[in-house]
Amino acid sequence: DAGITQSPRHKVTETGTPVTLRCHQTENHRYMYWYRQDPGHGLRLIHYSYGVKDTDKGEVSDGYSVSRSKTEDFLLTLESATSSQTSVYFCAISRQGPLSEQYFGPGTRLTVT
Amino acid sequence: GQQVMQIPQYQHVQEGEDFTTYCNSSTTLSNIQWYKQRPGGHPVFLIQLVKSGEVKKQKRLTFQFGEAKKNSSLHITATQTTDVGTYFCAGNTGTASKLTFGTGTRLQVTL
Repeated sequence: DAGITQSPRHKVTETGTPVTLRCHQTENHRYMYWYRQDPGHGLRLIHYSYGVKDTDKGEVSDGYSVSRSKTEDFLLTLESATSSQTSVYFCAISRQGPLSEQYFGPGTRLTVT
Repeated sequence: GQQVMQIPQYQHVQEGEDFTTYCNSSTTLSNIQWYKQRPGGHPVFLIQLVKSGEVKKQKRLTFQFGEAKKNSSLHITATQTTDVGTYFCAGNTGTASKLTFGTGTRLQVTL
């Protein structure tokens, strides 16, 4: 357990509405990541952060934005949710840098109707 | 961009049988990691391999990193029902600050 929580754990929202998912860590790690998991695609990186206010895009960043104003919190925002963003979202941290192993939160299941 | 493929996508074995999943990258990797995800759970780190040709064991699990550092395998000897889940490999080229995950192999074990 790496002290990672995600909220909410489940959410159903309508197309076109904004949604923010929160990842909170208790161990002050520098590197944090947002992934989405879909059948047949494994885990795909959306955005990642290497420090407060330092973020970068992953392979599937379109339609998503992130913010990190505090070390412990990494927020993922869907500005205008679409049905293609229905997925399970995982947050992760790495303790020893970007090439080291990652520890995942419990996930958020998001359904966009 | 970097691609990491895994085969098979799914395997169903009887308890006691062996299981192997293979991971192949389109580019040379600096290291490779393996994760396990139980149904309804989150991915959990198993191991990291760094050296060409490296072999590591964890009880009934054997992990190998290919000589060219473009492929890897996970072998489970005498599977148990507790081995059920999806196994992912993940690698990076060392120039990127991120991992690329494979598509995963789902293992089902029945008595």
